[in-house]
Amino acid sequence: DAKTTQPTSMDCAEGRAANLPCNHSTISGNEYVYWYRQIHSQGPQYIIHGLKNNETNEMASLIITEDRKSSTLILPHATLRDTAVYYCIVRVRDSWGKFQFGAGTQVVVTP
Amino acid sequence: EAQVTQNPRYLITVTGKKLTVTCSQNMNHEYMSWYRQDPGLGLRQIYYSMNVEVTDKGDVPEGYKVSRKEKRNFPLILESPSPNQTSLYFCASSSIAGQSYTEAFFGQGTRLTVV
Repeated sequence: DAKTTQPTSMDCAEGRAANLPCNHSTISGNEYVYWYRQIHSQGPQYIIHGLKNNETNEMASLIITEDRKSSTLILPHATLRDTAVYYCIVRVRDSWGKFQFGAGTQVVVTP
Repeated sequence: EAQVTQNPRYLITVTGKKLTVTCSQNMNHEYMSWYRQDPGLGLRQIYYSMNVEVTDKGDVPEGYKVSRKEKRNFPLILESPSPNQTSLYFCASSSIAGQSYTEAFFGQGTRLTVV
């Protein structure tokens, strides 16, 4: 699976959009981009995933660059409850063997 | 409600005393997995299972055993726990059937302390 690079931490003001970048320059054609988050020592929670098209759900939007070497997770209106570690993971969708989390980005939403 | 249930949530034990952490899911998922999380090391996969009676090692399997006799259960067994297995443990499950997307569901975690 391709390796990802994320900033260690980010701050975001409550009510503003949070844009979380992820670099995956070695991604291959059949690898998807997944985002999970972990709120202080709770079990990780799925957010969104995509292959090459932009995706949106009730939680977030995922923007993938045309060359697929990077992506951005957008939380449109950050709330205090969005404070968490956000993980960007790249893997083949149906490769259900090893599933590896990186260090993630610590996002702190402030009032 | 779809969920992954781990028990116990907290456990303090002594070195060498065998223990089992249970994991059960009610979503009929084929895939289940165990992770441990330690400060500065993130989430690391211990074992995973693709289906009943099919298990394989993750990145840090030493000192652990698993079994998958039923689809819904995937217990983590520490035959002789040591202090370096003090950690926060998570169980996860996913469906791998069909062509539709599958997300991983995680349990709430088991905080284990070995003294």
